Amino acid sequence: SQTIHQWPATLVQPVGSPLSLECTVEGTSNPNLYWYRQAAGRGLQLLFYSVGIGQISSEVPQNLSASRPQDRQFILSSKKLLLSDSGFYLCAWTTGFSNEQFFGPGTRLTVL
Amino acid sequence: AQSVTQLGSHVSVSEGALVLLRCNYSSSVPPYLFWYVQYPNQGLQLLLKYTSAATLVKGINGFEAEFKKSETSFHLTKPSAHMSDAAEYFCAVTLRTNAGGTSYGKLTFGQGTILTVHP
Repeated sequence: SQTIHQWPATLVQPVGSPLSLECTVEGTSNPNLYWYRQAAGRGLQLLFYSVGIGQISSEVPQNLSASRPQDRQFILSSKKLLLSDSGFYLCAWTTGFSNEQFFGPGTRLTVL
Repeated sequence: AQSVTQLGSHVSVSEGALVLLRCNYSSSVPPYLFWYVQYPNQGLQLLLKYTSAATLVKGINGFEAEFKKSETSFHLTKPSAHMSDAAEYFCAVTLRTNAGGTSYGKLTFGQGTILTVHP
């Protein structure tokens, strides 16, 4: 069966520090991968998606970037965090033949 | 382009009462529709999905939803609420993969509805 992992589960970082969040998927190959941010009371905002290794599409201009160095690994990064980067970050995957997305457990990021 | 509107950011019901969470969508082509549930500090879990088969869709935990094309709605219902149903619920829409263009499986979510169940 397929599983999706995210780490860390929680993170507290100072403003201006770098960020690296990791997402890995097991039990499937060539998934589409997605990063979402969920800010309090604002629903889910799609940040990035990837349909293959090295292929990244950004949905909104922001202080963040994403990379996909391996088929089942998706990384969210920032060089310098802003207060507005605080939120709950969710990774998700789907196959090319299914529109159902499967979500990871999320990372709670607090920028102070 | 597609969009989703969830009417009511907060819904409160008594235990045992009917749960009705409203979702209306906008899509230029036939959509796939989903309901997800999120418990505090957890990821999203799929409750049910509509993918053009039966318009009445049954999901987990006793939930069901009916796709009504004429009303562009996909409301979520449960006949009898349990305390364990308290959570945030999200409606989402995506384009069918054969609908022309490429959606890359991207979902558009509503703003969410927080369901409170009181004794």
